[in-house]
Amino acid sequence: AQSVTQLDSHVSVSEGTPVLLRCNYSSSYSPSLFWYVQHPNKGLQLLLKYTSAATLVKGINGFEAEFKKSETSFHLTKPSAHMSDAAEYFCVVSDQVDSNYQLIWGAGTKLIIKP
Amino acid sequence: DGGITQSPKYLFRKEGQNVTLSCEQNLNHDAMYWYRQDPGQGLRLIYYSQIVNDFQKGDIAEGYSVSREKKESFPLTVTSAQKNPTAFYLCASSIVGGSSYNEQFFGPGTRLTVL
Repeated sequence: AQSVTQLDSHVSVSEGTPVLLRCNYSSSYSPSLFWYVQHPNKGLQLLLKYTSAATLVKGINGFEAEFKKSETSFHLTKPSAHMSDAAEYFCVVSDQVDSNYQLIWGAGTKLIIKP
Repeated sequence: DGGITQSPKYLFRKEGQNVTLSCEQNLNHDAMYWYRQDPGQGLRLIYYSQIVNDFQKGDIAEGYSVSREKKESFPLTVTSAQKNPTAFYLCASSIVGGSSYNEQFFGPGTRLTVL
């Protein structure tokens, strides 16, 4: 079975500085990986997804993530944080159950942006 | 605009009452999902459905029931058997197919509080 671990429950950065949100996964085969973002009391929005086409994946709002098989990691980065980036971020791996795929969710990382 | 709607946004329940959360989508998706979100945890799957009149239990189905009479609708009933129902409930939908990376689209959520 797949699993995903987000290494930090909270990350605090100053506006204009880089963001790094860490995610490790366990998988017995080549996984599909996602990052979702959730703003307070809202639903979730897909930031980006890894589909094995390229190891560096670019998403919306300037975020990107790099798939590193040797490290079983899929960390999310952004060069310069903006106040609007304050939200909770979830790393997700897709697992096959019978003939369908289900999503296995990390516990989330709350990103705090200091002015 | 295509999307997923959930109602109500906030719901209060007395002990021993059943309540039903609504989820409607106009994305023409075959698959629909219900998740529960608790603070500090990732999303946990309650039920999912890949086709009308069929649904499967997820990881935490006890105390919940669903129906799928129409493609567009997937209501969730929280029964009195659910011992700790206070949570944020999210509905999602996706296409069904062989790809492992079918994006799930989320509604805005319903916050249920037991009084």
